[in-house]
Amino acid sequence: GNSVTQMEGPVTLSEEAFLTINCTYTATGYPSLFWYVQYPGEGLQLLLKATKADDKGSNKGFEATYRKETTSFHLEKGSVQVSDSAVYFCALSELNTGKLIFGQGTTLQVKP
Amino acid sequence: DAGVIQSPRHEVTEMGQEVTLRCKPISGHDYLFWYRQTMMRGLELLIYFNNNVPIDDSGMPEDRFSAKMPNASFSTLKIQPSEPRDSAVYFCASTSTRAGESNEQFFGPGTRLTVL
Repeated sequence: GNSVTQMEGPVTLSEEAFLTINCTYTATGYPSLFWYVQYPGEGLQLLLKATKADDKGSNKGFEATYRKETTSFHLEKGSVQVSDSAVYFCALSELNTGKLIFGQGTTLQVKP
Repeated sequence: DAGVIQSPRHEVTEMGQEVTLRCKPISGHDYLFWYRQTMMRGLELLIYFNNNVPIDDSGMPEDRFSAKMPNASFSTLKIQPSEPRDSAVYFCASTSTRAGESNEQFFGPGTRLTVL
């Protein structure tokens, strides 16, 4: 079946450090891929998405590229800020069901 | 559009009481999802609807939980009787699967339920 695996957290970085959160997936066909972010006390909100192989999603300085050959969608940011502290979820869309399959989430803490 | 609307935002109740959570999806969306989030179990899909019809309720933990979607603009999740282990944040989300759309789900702000 379809699944998403994220690197375990928590990830603790200093401000302005480089961020990578790994995400790999197993899926039938070519699903869309997503990164969601959840700030403390809030719901999940879409951070970025990619709908086909080699697409790069980007938003707020974050980027992720849909790599079919490695079945990966790693999240990167060149310089993190304290305000980026949140939980990040990688997800894929199940074809024909509308469902999203989520990874377990990775907590990022950025210290000043 | 106002986004997905959930009410109440916070609910505190005593064990054994009935709890009803409410959700209004984004207009025009054909799928609605109910999730539960806890520290121990993370984000869990409880049930989802397509065009108001329940498609998969395999994530509903037990018979105390029930969900309905009487029309395209309203859904409820009911717990009767509630237990302390039901304490969690419950999210509602909706999406559109129209051709050309990516199945992005839009989440509500959640209902934080505490059962004493």
